[in-house]
Amino acid sequence: AQTVTQSQPEMSVQEAETVTLSCTYDTSESDYYLFWYKQPPSRQMILVIRQEAYKQQNATENRFSVNFQKAAKSFSLKISDSQLGDAAMYFCAYRPFPNAGGTSYGKLTFGQGTILTVHP
Amino acid sequence: NAGVTQTPKFQVLKTGQSMTLQCAQDMNHNSMYWYRQDPGMGLRLIYYSASEGTTDKGEVPNGYNVSRLNKREFSLRLESAAPSQTSVYFCAGANRPGNTIYFGEGSWLTVV
Repeated sequence: AQTVTQSQPEMSVQEAETVTLSCTYDTSESDYYLFWYKQPPSRQMILVIRQEAYKQQNATENRFSVNFQKAAKSFSLKISDSQLGDAAMYFCAYRPFPNAGGTSYGKLTFGQGTILTVHP
Repeated sequence: NAGVTQTPKFQVLKTGQSMTLQCAQDMNHNSMYWYRQDPGMGLRLIYYSASEGTTDKGEVPNGYNVSRLNKREFSLRLESAAPSQTSVYFCAGANRPGNTIYFGEGSWLTVV
């Protein structure tokens, strides 16, 4: 079974600075997807960024970028120019590529989450 | 465009009572999912529906049943609620296997 591990229960950063959140995962699959979701106090799950495993280029979305190391099974999130609104719980998630039998269809597996605090 | 809509948003149940969480989406999602989130934890998959007419168990299905009523609607039923089912429940959907999964706003359920 796939597992996702976020080893940092809490992180903090000063406003305007950069912070990196770590994520590692375990899988025997070669094709899969990785995601970072943000969950503010409202509990809404907001997609931050996604990465397809077959793409070598790291995904970027404005101030958010990832460092995807497939061989190391590592998927970290870098937040640049941190803003107060970035404060939230961040979840790393793994989704296998659907197999022909459909047994892995669409199942997102989440890490335990990292609480990010942004100091003004 | 409402996206993924869950009802109710808050519910308090007594042990042994039954209830159904409703989920509807207007994003033409083929697949739909029910997750639960316990304090300090990530989301865990309860059931999913790969397409209309099909449902399958996820990681924590015990105590729950689901119905994929049509393409738009996917309900989660607790037949006899237990305190261990106190959680936040999320419905989600996706268009194609590789597409991003989009979540509803969550339903807070407390079983006393």
